[in-house]
This record gives sequence, structure tokens and C-alpha cells, in this order.
Amino acid sequence: GDSVTQMEGPVTLSEEAFLTINCTYTATGYPSLFWYVQYPGEGLQLLLKATKADDKGSNKGFEATYRKETTSFHLEKGSVQVSDSAVYFCALSEGGSYIPTFGRGTSLIVHP
Amino acid sequence: GAGVSQSPSNKVTEKGKDVELRCDPISGHTALYWYRQSLGQGLEFLIYFQGNSAPDKSGLPSDRFSAERTGGSVSTLTIQRTQQEDSAVYLCASSLVGGGYGYTFGSGTRLTVV
Repeated sequence: GDSVTQMEGPVTLSEEAFLTINCTYTATGYPSLFWYVQYPGEGLQLLLKATKADDKGSNKGFEATYRKETTSFHLEKGSVQVSDSAVYFCALSEGGSYIPTFGRGTSLIVHP
Repeated sequence: GAGVSQSPSNKVTEKGKDVELRCDPISGHTALYWYRQSLGQGLEFLIYFQGNSAPDKSGLPSDRFSAERTGGSVSTLTIQRTQQEDSAVYLCASSLVGGGYGYTFGSGTRLTVV
């Protein structure tokens, strides 16, 4: 079945550092890929998405590129802020099942 | 409504009691999902509703868990005879059919069984 694997956290960075959170997936078809962010005490919010190979999703300075050859969708940001501290979830959705599969989440802690 | 609304936001219940959690999805979203998020864990799929089709209940962990969706809108997740291991945040999400545009989540119900 489908699966999503994320790097384990927590990831701890200083403000203005470069961020990468790795995400790889296993799917039988051609899924849509998503990154969600969960701030403390809140539900998940869609951060960005990509629906086909080589698409780049971007939002709020974050970006991720759909790499079919490496089955990856790594999240990057050039300069993190304290306000980016949250848990980030990688997810996929295949057209046949419609039920999204989520990774376990990666906690990001940004220090001033 | 403007977003997915869940109630209550917090629920403390005694072991053995039944609880009902409510989800009001975005108007026009035909798909509705329930997930469970335990402390330090990822999201565990519970159940999926799509329009008037029979729900996909493959993620429900036991027969103590059930859910219904009335009129294709509001959904209720019921946990009977709660156990301490049921303590978690229960998240509801809705989407347009297929989900390719993404899923909108509610803020969740934090359930604590004492």
C-alpha cells in the first residue's frame, strides 16, 4: 500500500538558517503530494502541493519539488523564522483511493 | 461554513463512558475524513465518507468506534465504552471529491479518558 516516510525530528535550527525536511513516498500510481503544517494547539493547514512530476509547490517561502525518479518531495526554506516552529506533515493522495496517507510528522524548532 | 468546525474542542470523560464528537465540514465538500492523532504519533486514518456512498470504515480500530454522516454534511464520531488508550486528538477534514486540491482540517477534539 501507499506510504510516506519523513525524517525524524525534532529539527532544531537558529533563525535565518536553511531548512530541509526530507520526505519520500511509495505509491502504486501517480499521486498528488502535499505538505501540511500544524501549529501548537491547532489543526493541520495545507502549506503547499504538487500534482504531477517536476511540479514545484511553494507558499510562505517554503517550496518542494515533486521528484518522480527519486519518489521524493523534500520541503525547503531558505531562511526560517521563529514563527515557523511547528510540526510538518508530508502526505500523498492517489486518485483511486482518495484517502490521503500522512507521514508521522517532523517537529521544527527555531531558536532566535 | 468558512472552515471545518469541530466540537467540543476538549472532552474529558471517565473510562467506560460513551462520547460523541462532531464535525461540520465546509459547505459543498462531499468528502469527509476522521483521523486520530496520538501524542507524538502521526495521523491514523479512521473513516472516510464520500457523498451518499457507503463509508470506508477500514481504519476504525475496534467495534467500539462508529461514525455517521447525516444529509451528506455533519458527521458524528461515537466511541462507546471509552478506554484510556482512546485518549488522543481526533481530527476531521473535508475536501472536494478526489482531494487533489487538498484537505481542510478542523482544529480537532482533544479527548482525555481518565
